[in-house]
Amino acid sequence: AQTVTQSQPEMSVQEAETVTLSCTYDTSESDYYLFWYKQPPSRQMILVIRQEAYKQQNATENRFSVNFQKAAKSFSLKISDSQLGDAAMYFCALGIYGNKLVFGAGTILRVKS
Amino acid sequence: EAQVTQNPRYLITVTGKKLTVTCSQNMNHEYMSWYRQDPGLGLRQIYYSMNVEVTDKGDVPEGYKVSRKEKRNFPLILESPSPNQTSLYFCASRDNSFVVTEAFFGQGTRLTVV
Repeated sequence: AQTVTQSQPEMSVQEAETVTLSCTYDTSESDYYLFWYKQPPSRQMILVIRQEAYKQQNATENRFSVNFQKAAKSFSLKISDSQLGDAAMYFCALGIYGNKLVFGAGTILRVKS
Repeated sequence: EAQVTQNPRYLITVTGKKLTVTCSQNMNHEYMSWYRQDPGLGLRQIYYSMNVEVTDKGDVPEGYKVSRKEKRNFPLILESPSPNQTSLYFCASRDNSFVVTEAFFGQGTRLTVV
């Protein structure tokens, strides 16, 4: 069975500063994908970033980057230069070939001005 | 515009009254699924479909039914809703059942069963 754990129910960051959201996962598969989704108050699920497990290089999308530690089964999201629009619920998700996405419980990110 | 459309966005119903939440995608995706989102639990898969006429149970299928008669549509049916099915529901689609690609989500349906 696959599991995803987000141990931080809530995080706060000052505008323009950097914050890291944690995610650990467990799977016996060797080939899988990891995702971070953002859910703003509108409830829409928005893909932030994705990482293929076979790639050692950490994915980056503008101010968003990940720290992927395959051996430790860790997949944290770093948000640099935080903006008010980054305030949302963030979900870490694990995708297995031919199978469903398994989501963590989510982390609420609050951005202070 | 590529999208997944769910209806309705909000629904309040009474216990036992059958309801259907519709889901339609315009991207010709093979894989479609339904999730429910509950506080502290994240999103959990209810049912999924890898192609037309192929459906299977996810992690929390009890009390739900689905059908996939056309590639674009994947309705979620609650034959006899109960208060524990009060939740936020998402439909999602993916391009290919056998490659893990990005999932596109509908806007969500907030269901309240009283």
